[in-house]
Amino acid sequence: DAKTTQPPSMDCAEGRAANLPCNHSTISGNEYVYWYRQIHSQGPQYIIHGLKNNETNEMASLIITEDRKSSTLILPHATLRDTAVYYCIVTSGGYNKLIFGAGTRLAVHP
Amino acid sequence: SAVISQKPSRDICQRGTSLTIQCQVDSQVTMMFWYRQQPGQSLTLIATANQGSEATYESGFVIDKFPISRPNLTFSTLTVSNMSPEDSSIYLCSVGHLSTDTQYFGPGTRLTVL
Repeated sequence: DAKTTQPPSMDCAEGRAANLPCNHSTISGNEYVYWYRQIHSQGPQYIIHGLKNNETNEMASLIITEDRKSSTLILPHATLRDTAVYYCIVTSGGYNKLIFGAGTRLAVHP
Repeated sequence: SAVISQKPSRDICQRGTSLTIQCQVDSQVTMMFWYRQQPGQSLTLIATANQGSEATYESGFVIDKFPISRPNLTFSTLTVSNMSPEDSSIYLCSVGHLSTDTQYFGPGTRLTVL
């Protein structure tokens, strides 16, 4: 599976959009981009995934560049409850084993 | 999604003892996994729990230390054997859904070894 690079930490004001970047320059054609988050040592929570098209669900939007070498997770209106570690994972099968990097620690402040 | 429960939710154990962690899911799933999260670290995959056969371990993890059972498609156990303080971690099970191509995690078991 391809390796991902994320900034170690980010800040965001409550109510503003949080844009979390992820680089995955070695991604191959059959690999998806998955995002999970972990709130204070709870089990990781699935957020969204995509192959090459942009995706949106009730939690977030995922923007994947045309060359697929990077992506951005967007939380449109961040709340204090969105404070968590966000993991970007590249894998050929989301149902299969996942390799976690260090993730981005997002702090949402009032 | 899947509803996953783990028992116990936390435990404090003495070194040299063993602890068995249970993972129960509310539906039949093909893939089940066990992860470890050491303090302040990210998640590391221990093994894939295979139904009816021996688990597949990742590099650095061995069956003698982390024996795993999976008797059916909804249940698995992980045993942490001959524990030392270095085994203090959160242990998480997860399940993979082929239909949604997504993995879901249990709430974790927080283990402290004294």
